[in-house]
Amino acid sequence: DTGVSQNPRHKITKRGQNVTFRCDPISEHNRLYWYRQTLGQGPEFLTYFQNEAQLEKSRLLSDRFSAERPKGSFSTLEIQRTEQGDSAMYLCASSFGRGEGETQYFGPGTRLLVL
Amino acid sequence: DQQVKQNSPSLSVQEGRISILNCDYTNSMFDYFLWYKKYPAEGPTFLISISSIKDKNEDGRFTVFLNKSAKHLSLHIVPSQPGDSAVYFCAASSNTGKLIFGQGTTLQVKP
Repeated sequence: DTGVSQNPRHKITKRGQNVTFRCDPISEHNRLYWYRQTLGQGPEFLTYFQNEAQLEKSRLLSDRFSAERPKGSFSTLEIQRTEQGDSAMYLCASSFGRGEGETQYFGPGTRLLVL
Repeated sequence: DQQVKQNSPSLSVQEGRISILNCDYTNSMFDYFLWYKKYPAEGPTFLISISSIKDKNEDGRFTVFLNKSAKHLSLHIVPSQPGDSAVYFCAASSNTGKLIFGQGTTLQVKP
């Protein structure tokens, strides 16, 4: 399977704990995006990388959130001191950015529940 | 400020008929538009896209129409099949690449 993969698929944690999610993009894709989706809403942009450089962060990404993409391959999204409001589906997408319209391909997501 | 809006939360059509899903946007800087299909507990699946230099793009049963003057796009599915039942999201992007999504429309195709 050469699609975008995400791990874990589900995560249940207690408020105040730290969690980390991993995304493995399609191998030849240089751009990687993180989105968050809550019930009844469309996905909302969090941040994106071009190769290993983090180029944009949404104001939704508080200082408790950090994302990395070492060596421009997989990416991790860490949430520190989780809050119940962090409960959501976290989606990763990748694309081959050419400076024009690009199609992003999504992974299956990681569903986070903060108790 | 909702830059991409899907005003119909749900749509129900009979198998074999046409499904038309609508989407409006406000930002004139958007130059690329996409439709995704999503099943519960899965990530969005890309369906079809259109560049702002075109007004129509077709792929099999799926056709997307873009009306730039009205800032409106629509997805036509003909003929609709029960397997098309899912949530459909329209999304738009500009030169930054990030996607701005609508709230989604739940399509139910009845056998």
